[in-house]
Amino acid sequence: GAGVSQSPSNKVTEKGKDVELRCDPISGHTALYWYRQSLGQGLEFLIYFQGNSAPDKSGLPSDRFSAERTGGSVSTLTIQRTQQEDSAVYLCASSELVAFTDTQYFGPGTRLTVL
Amino acid sequence: QKEVEQNSGPLSVPEGAIASLNCTYSDRVSQSFFWYRQYSGKSPELIMSIYSNGDKEDGRFTAQLNKASQYVSLLIRDSQPSDSATYLCAVFRMDSSYKLIFGSGTRLLVRP
Repeated sequence: GAGVSQSPSNKVTEKGKDVELRCDPISGHTALYWYRQSLGQGLEFLIYFQGNSAPDKSGLPSDRFSAERTGGSVSTLTIQRTQQEDSAVYLCASSELVAFTDTQYFGPGTRLTVL
Repeated sequence: QKEVEQNSGPLSVPEGAIASLNCTYSDRVSQSFFWYRQYSGKSPELIMSIYSNGDKEDGRFTAQLNKASQYVSLLIRDSQPSDSATYLCAVFRMDSSYKLIFGSGTRLLVRP
């Protein structure tokens, strides 16, 4: 079946602009996660959704970052007033449940470049 | 101290050798452990998961977990050049949150 998809694959924006990143999880997966990976670094947790609810937003770097999920499916990560330090690859993952045994499957990522 | 620590490498091994990748974690409430492989410019893909102390084998891969020492490792037998990638150790916590905490990864180079 189809895996996790993300769009756009690449986004170049100017400092101060807002951007929206989209994630389509695997059909039927109730859990959805957003991570950020800066050049040469590991993955940094941002936020997760269980259904449409986001119980833990503690990983969001600042109040410029927000995310929502609708219909238990598609999720959007919005970054307002982008800064150069926001440049990174934003990865989305989904899993069937929120359980410690569940595998998270990753999408291809969105590479964000803030000029 | 980082929650999940890995040697950044690169770890260079000849083709056919055993590659040993190591990871330590700091939080004792961690319940499950994952090894992901990430090729340059690609997203992570799951190699192995392990939840109980001991060894778990899958083909050429063996994961080892020692919760008392807070240590998890990945052995790759008969290493191939196609195994050259960055290997990310991840620890799943279920306390007040549910999230994977990743190490910064170990870069593996398998020399033909």
